[in-house]
Amino acid sequence: DVKVTQSSRYLVKRTGEKVFLECVQDMDHENMFWYRQDPGLGLRLIYFSYDVKMKEKGDIPEGYSVSREKKERFSLILESASTNQTSMYLCASSLGTGVYGYTFGSGTRLTVV
Amino acid sequence: EDQVTQSPEALRLQEGESSSLNCSYTVSGLRGLFWYRQDPGKGPEFLFTLYSAGEEKEKERLKATLTKKESFLHITAPKPEDSATYLCAVPAANYGQNFVFGPGTRLSVLP
Repeated sequence: DVKVTQSSRYLVKRTGEKVFLECVQDMDHENMFWYRQDPGLGLRLIYFSYDVKMKEKGDIPEGYSVSREKKERFSLILESASTNQTSMYLCASSLGTGVYGYTFGSGTRLTVV
Repeated sequence: EDQVTQSPEALRLQEGESSSLNCSYTVSGLRGLFWYRQDPGKGPEFLFTLYSAGEEKEKERLKATLTKKESFLHITAPKPEDSATYLCAVPAANYGQNFVFGPGTRLSVLP
């Protein structure tokens, strides 16, 4: 019954590496989002997409990029990983143009050393 | 600026001890208030949406209510399995389907 799948639960990467976080949803949702979650800072929006090949910056896009080549897949890219990008990364999707609750993935705990 | 605050930051209850969590929001033109539950190491799970003041929603031991400035999540006779972090969120005024999340209340229910 998995609906939003994030490719890795845990990742350890070295500083300067290029990191790819993958997210796939099987609900035919138009909207997809990437958040990071840090203690004391809550959930912060990195990037979002309302359609294939469309992307918009969220509140903290610096150091990140995204790709959405297919409707069901939304990838987050850390161009050159840094230790301050150590965090829990959450992908979410939602339906259409109305205001709907998110379906979240289980998250990827990324550690940059 | 859109803002969501939650209180208390953490709450410890004995099993069966009812209580309430608070979510206060500041947003232009509320388009709904959403509650989520998050278990440790997992993504948040959607619970409720409330759209207008006076509205109530219930699910098992949880009841969410909404006023013009805040929402309450009432937990009646909680069980240890209700232990989780509870997040509230409102749609951001600037973005269509994006949300502003509160910091959460970490609830622990002791047997």
